[in-house]
Amino acid sequence: NAGVTQTPKFQVLKTGQSMTLQCAQDMNHNSMYWYRQDPGMGLRLIYYSASEGTTDKGEVPNGYNVSRLNKREFSLRLESAAPSQTSVYFCASSEDGNSPLHFGNGTRLTVT
Amino acid sequence: GENVEQHPSTLSVQEGDSAVIKCTYSDSASNYFPWYKQELGKGPQLIIDIRSNVGEKKDQRIAVTLNKTAKHFSLHITETQPEDSAVYFCAASKAGSYQLTFGKGTKLSVIP
Repeated sequence: NAGVTQTPKFQVLKTGQSMTLQCAQDMNHNSMYWYRQDPGMGLRLIYYSASEGTTDKGEVPNGYNVSRLNKREFSLRLESAAPSQTSVYFCASSEDGNSPLHFGNGTRLTVT
Repeated sequence: GENVEQHPSTLSVQEGDSAVIKCTYSDSASNYFPWYKQELGKGPQLIIDIRSNVGEKKDQRIAVTLNKTAKHFSLHITETQPEDSAVYFCAASKAGSYQLTFGKGTKLSVIP
């Protein structure tokens, strides 16, 4: 079992460019999440998908869009990257709400 | 929304000593309190969690205590080892919620 797999591991973008971060889980979990981690800020929820076919905003959704492609895959899209989006992005999954999260190893994104 | 405060931000202990990390939360409706360990370059990994119907939970050298009245919970690591060195995050969420709120983290260094 790979758990939660994120691609790419590293990415550098110029301001205004777009990109999609990919995430897949093989644990048959219902719920998936995208968090960002910034120094001294902990982890903040961007978007989540409680179940296949649904998505909801988290604490910091501005500048992002998500797609729950199927039960396994949940992608995060930056339409027009800004330097403030420089961060480490983590995807996670869980059986349902209020249950343990399983994290991927992150995507380190730099926007110049 | 929920606010989780975590202290201290850094902690150094001698190998074999105990380490204690404390968190407070603001929303009295929160009922799920997990702790995550994050090693360098990796995603957070759940080490222990507690729900509000329990006051204490142990797993070998790790224990978590919860005081619902005071709205605080703590992580206790006994007989610390160098491999315990990492960043630890506490978190809180409400029943039925998909939004887990994290503390800002504690960097634990265990000195051999």
